[in-house]
Amino acid sequence: QVQLVQSGAEVKKPGASVKVSCKASGYTFTSYYIHWVRQAPGQGLEWMGRINPNSGGSNYAQTFQGRVTMTRDTSIDTAYMELSRLTSDDTAMYYCARPYTTSSLHVWGQGTTVTVSS
Amino acid sequence: QSVLTQPPSASGTPGQRVTISCSASSSNIGSNTINWYQQLPGTAPKLLIYSNTQRPSGVPDRFSGSKSGTSASLAISGLQSEDEADYYCGTWDNSLNGVLFGGGTRLTVL
Repeated sequence: QVQLVQSGAEVKKPGASVKVSCKASGYTFTSYYIHWVRQAPGQGLEWMGRINPNSGGSNYAQTFQGRVTMTRDTSIDTAYMELSRLTSDDTAMYYCARPYTTSSLHVWGQGTTVTVSS
Repeated sequence: QSVLTQPPSASGTPGQRVTISCSASSSNIGSNTINWYQQLPGTAPKLLIYSNTQRPSGVPDRFSGSKSGTSASLAISGLQSEDEADYYCGTWDNSLNGVLFGGGTRLTVL
């Protein structure tokens, strides 16, 4: 079955970077974008950006421009999201998701908790 | 900046029909299709409705969506206790060149 499995929880200090992975299975990895969405504790969903696994091209929400980098490794069907210069405001659950249509996110990873604390 | 506005809360009793609204602030998003997600406590969001009215395989037909102009609605009929969750609308934002989510609506089954 189509599945996205994310890496485990992370605890980082302010100013550090975090890299979250998202391994796809059950479909052709290069056929669908991978989106990243985050959710701060008790808050709503926030779109971070997306990557085209086929070309490697990406686009990011302006909020994260300059701090986020999305990459992929097609040899292992895995997408990555790296966020730098972390602050406590980056403490959140981070999800990867595969779209059904351009804007609808159908398959979601289980989420990765990132905690930023000194 | 484009915004999708949802009521923060909604409620209903078992068996009732409830609706959740989603209003777009601008034409950047108002002309695009709306998707709906259900997020049960402690879990990842689940796509309920895409392209305004379509249900992915496995979503019960108790869930339905509609859109008129810049406003959309999610209707849940035959409300069940397991429908208690957060519901988000989402769409493509042409100016953001990305996905925009509404603020979410917490549905309580009384």
